Amino acid sequence: DAKTTQPNSMESNEEEPVHLPCNHSTISGTDYIHWYRQLPSQGPEYVIHGLTSNVNNRMASLAIAEDRKSSTLILHRATLRDAAVYYCILRDPLGNTDKLIFGTGTRLQVFP
Amino acid sequence: DAGVIQSPRHEVTEMGQEVTLRCKPISGHDYLFWYRQTMMRGLELLIYFNNNVPIDDSGMPEDRFSAKMPNASFSTLKIQPSEPRDSAVYFCASSFDRETDTQYFGPGTRLTVL
Repeated sequence: DAKTTQPNSMESNEEEPVHLPCNHSTISGTDYIHWYRQLPSQGPEYVIHGLTSNVNNRMASLAIAEDRKSSTLILHRATLRDAAVYYCILRDPLGNTDKLIFGTGTRLQVFP
Repeated sequence: DAGVIQSPRHEVTEMGQEVTLRCKPISGHDYLFWYRQTMMRGLELLIYFNNNVPIDDSGMPEDRFSAKMPNASFSTLKIQPSEPRDSAVYFCASSFDRETDTQYFGPGTRLTVL
């Protein structure tokens, strides 16, 4: 499986935008980029995913580099509730496994 | 839908005892996953099922661990005998199908083995 690299931690102030980077230089042509987050004392929850084009949903936006070797999860206005560990994961739906392989993620702290 | 349901939410047991964790996936989901999370190893996949059939159990740590899915609405993860190093949070997740891909996680079971 292609690997992802994320910063261990990031900080933000409430109501400011947050850009969470992810590097995936060995991504294959059929790998989707998935983002999950894990709030304290909860199970991970799906945030967003994409293949090539930028994606938006009610939670966040996903900006994917043209060469697909990196991507950025964008929280437009951070709230205290967004404090969590954010995981960037690659997955090929055409591959021979249904696994999601979680790395160490980025721990986001949000200050009032 | 109530989401993925796990029970118990907390379990404290003594070394050597049998532990059974339970999971009810979201109705209609074909895939069920068991994960374990510790500070040292992070979140790791133990086993997953498709249509009640185990597909990949390569993450199961050893023979003390076993998982079953007798029907589409119920799965168990059993540890026998339990050891202190099994202490962790165990998550169950389900997904609709491979194409949709999104996994929905339960709240987890926090297991402490004394």
